[in-house]
Amino acid sequence: GAVVSQHPSRVICKSGTSVKIECRSLDFQATTMFWYRQFPKKSLMLMATSNEGSKATYEQGVEKDKFLINHASLTLSTLTVTSAHPEDSSFYICSASPGTSGSGEQYFGPGTRLTVT
Amino acid sequence: SQQGEEDPQALSIQEGENATMNCSYKTSINNLQWYRQNSGRGLVHLILIRSNEREKHSGRLRVTLDTSKKSSSLLITASRAADTASYFCATDAHNAGNMLTFGGGTRLMVKP
Repeated sequence: GAVVSQHPSRVICKSGTSVKIECRSLDFQATTMFWYRQFPKKSLMLMATSNEGSKATYEQGVEKDKFLINHASLTLSTLTVTSAHPEDSSFYICSASPGTSGSGEQYFGPGTRLTVT
Repeated sequence: SQQGEEDPQALSIQEGENATMNCSYKTSINNLQWYRQNSGRGLVHLILIRSNEREKHSGRLRVTLDTSKKSSSLLITASRAADTASYFCATDAHNAGNMLTFGGGTRLMVKP
């Protein structure tokens, strides 16, 4: 099946620094990539949708300048948490979709656990 | 926004028993999917049921979909301790461009 990787799997950073998380589709071209955030014992909350070559579409309440998303190629999307604060500590999961709307195909990465100290 | 609502939020059963989880949603959908997540890990896709399907099986999993009631259920038969995980439903709504909306999840614990 289709594989999506995320790097790093875990990261600890100091407050005020920026952290970049990569999401790669390894064996398919991802027309669309999605970024989710998950708090402990909670469901996934969609943060933004990114299409290759265009600006990401952010969900209401998600700060664009705080969570920078770049979908530079059909196999790579990055999420940069800028000026991280302890409240940004969370599990971030990306997913990638190769298909057209309604096809239902969406493949998830293993997630990145961010801890801001 | 979170469309799906799942119940129960938590479920504890003995090994060998069946586990049933329910999911309700609000808008018209193309399909509904169930995912499993072990603690601190990524999501594992379990099963997809399309809006024109009513029931689907995969191994010990049985999923039903009632579009008139906008609800779905996931049944795990003959549960095992290894089934302990959180289970999420996710809907792919019409005109949403493959965007999934997740339910709150059910935390299942299967006691050996």
